[in-house]
Amino acid sequence: DGGITQSPKYLFRKEGQNVTLSCEQNLNHDAMYWYRQDPGQGLRLIYYSQIVNDFQKGDIAEGYSVSREKKESFPLTVTSAQKNPTAFYLCASNQVRTDTQYFGPGTRLTVL
Amino acid sequence: QQQVKQSPQSLIVQKGGISIINCAYENTAFDYFPWYQQFPGKGPALLIAIRPDVSEKKEGRFTISFNKSAKQFSLHIMDSQPGDSATYFCARGNGGSQGNLIFGKGTKLSVKP
Repeated sequence: DGGITQSPKYLFRKEGQNVTLSCEQNLNHDAMYWYRQDPGQGLRLIYYSQIVNDFQKGDIAEGYSVSREKKESFPLTVTSAQKNPTAFYLCASNQVRTDTQYFGPGTRLTVL
Repeated sequence: QQQVKQSPQSLIVQKGGISIINCAYENTAFDYFPWYQQFPGKGPALLIAIRPDVSEKKEGRFTISFNKSAKQFSLHIMDSQPGDSATYFCARGNGGSQGNLIFGKGTKLSVKP
């Protein structure tokens, strides 16, 4: 099956800890994205990458970091600098110069 | 950041009725307007999309109407069913070398039996 996988589905973190969310795709897509979803806020772009070893900040990048060492993987680290990290995190991908983005199932992060 | 304004925030429709969700955008440079459907605890899935060279696109019970002069586009769900109950997001993209999408804040649709 082709698609996007995110793990874990649920994640709990203590304040002050960094945590890494996994995103893997086997769609051979060049571009990958991370969004944050909060109730009533829609989806907001954190980071995106259009090619391996390159990525750009989105609208709310502060407190987050990413890497793109492989085409199929785009992990997101939520650092202790993120003031309000509790949210639903969504990973997406598409081919560069095409519009349709495909989303993973999401990871719900809760800071205790 | 150019926004997409979506309304209403929530919508309750009787089974068999028509659900209408509206979005407005600010910049005529955008050339791709998708609608996504999201069920609780799941990732959004593309429902239907339109480009501004057409005024309407229909796929089954779902229709996008596009009004370029008014900078508005809307989603119509005909014969709404309880299984349509979900959150719907409109978005705009500018294609080209950047595939970024800017999303509206979503509309939670409840279809009552």
